[in-house]
Amino acid sequence: LAKTTQPISMDSYEGQEVNITCSHNNIATNDYITWYQQFPSQGPRFIIQGYKTKVTNEVASLFIPADRKSSTLSLPRVSLSDTAVYYCLRTKYSGAGSYQLTFGKGTKLSVIP
Amino acid sequence: NAGVTQTPKFQVLKTGQSMTLQCAQDMNHNSMYWYRQDPGMGLRLIYYSASEGTTDKGEVPNGYNVSRLNKREFSLRLESAAPSQTSVYFCASSETGTQSGANVLTFGAGSRLTVL
Repeated sequence: LAKTTQPISMDSYEGQEVNITCSHNNIATNDYITWYQQFPSQGPRFIIQGYKTKVTNEVASLFIPADRKSSTLSLPRVSLSDTAVYYCLRTKYSGAGSYQLTFGKGTKLSVIP
Repeated sequence: NAGVTQTPKFQVLKTGQSMTLQCAQDMNHNSMYWYRQDPGMGLRLIYYSASEGTTDKGEVPNGYNVSRLNKREFSLRLESAAPSQTSVYFCASSETGTQSGANVLTFGAGSRLTVL
């Protein structure tokens, strides 16, 4: 399985920047790193995806160093509404031109007023 | 756009009963997926369909069957429900499909199934 490792939980105060790091030591050449956000009673929602270096969108930034063995999701100035579970995924080549996405247990982020 | 629609949202079954979870997407995506989510386990892939007319097993396929009815619809069937199948089920679809390492999934809202 395409295993990733991330902290089980994190707490942060409102207005702070939050960085969630994910390790994926055996990442392959064609794999991408993708982060999803999940609120209670909802399906996961795509946040950001990257291959290497830095990617930024209106929601978050994703930092992937040159060796690609880890990645960091950065959420600027979090608010209470950012309280959710965040999943880091890498794709895994499963043969015959097919890639799979395997979810880990995620990081439960709690934003404190 | 509705995105990915799942029905029913809630269902209670007795052990041994059968049921089908329905999923439809209106984004013209090629690939569709069924995941289950259990407390503390993240999401686990049950089955997927890379394209219309094809289906493949995922990580936890035992006890389930799927049908890719057409490009829009992908159903999940439990032939003889067991308490171990109590879970929240999510359907998802993707445009790029399983042939890309940059695959991005769009999920439905989930179907909560309880088997007594």
